[in-house]
Amino acid sequence: AQSVAQPEDQVNVAEGNPLTVKCTYSVSGNPYLFWYVQYPNRGLQFLLKYITGDNLVKGSYGFEAEFNKSQTSFHLKKPSALVSDSALYFCAEYAGNNRKLIWGLGTSLAVNP
Amino acid sequence: DGGITQSPKYLFRKEGQNVTLSCEQNLNHDAMYWYRQDPGQGLRLIYYSQIVNDFQKGDIAEGYSVSREKKESFPLTVTSAQKNPTAFYLCASSMRGPPTGATASGSGHEQFFGPGTRLTVL
Repeated sequence: AQSVAQPEDQVNVAEGNPLTVKCTYSVSGNPYLFWYVQYPNRGLQFLLKYITGDNLVKGSYGFEAEFNKSQTSFHLKKPSALVSDSALYFCAEYAGNNRKLIWGLGTSLAVNP
Repeated sequence: DGGITQSPKYLFRKEGQNVTLSCEQNLNHDAMYWYRQDPGQGLRLIYYSQIVNDFQKGDIAEGYSVSREKKESFPLTVTSAQKNPTAFYLCASSMRGPPTGATASGSGHEQFFGPGTRLTVL
């Protein structure tokens, strides 16, 4: 079965340090991969996507993600974290003819001042 | 959240009552979705619709119903048959429906979300 794994429930990082939020997917072929962010009691906001092309994808608010086909990973990164980046982050994928977006369970990011 | 509105923001329901959650989008998107979010369980798909007057069940459709009479509107009714309806409900839309091998275009499949409705059963 297709699945998206976010292996860390929570990530803590100091303000100004680089951050990484991990995501791995399980599918053969060419996945469509997405990252979303959710602030408390709000809807999800689209950050970025990978469809094809360059493995490094740039998105909103200074975030980027690196697609690695051999490791089936799509980790979210930011060179310098801000306290305002503290939120819940979700990875998701469409794959093949699956007509539903498969979601990870989310990673809570805490950026400490 | 821009372009997709959900109302009300908070909703309280007595047991045995049906309630309807509103979702409207002005993005001219073809596809719309309803998700349920519970702590620690991520997002679970309730229903989705790719065109007017057509919709499909998601993973947890039991106890819910939808309609898609207009492109911009996709209301969700939580019926009394839903045994544990207390949750955060999210509506989303996308320009295109899910990609398939025949129709994948590489764009327009990302979903955009409304602000959510928190439903509590009293």
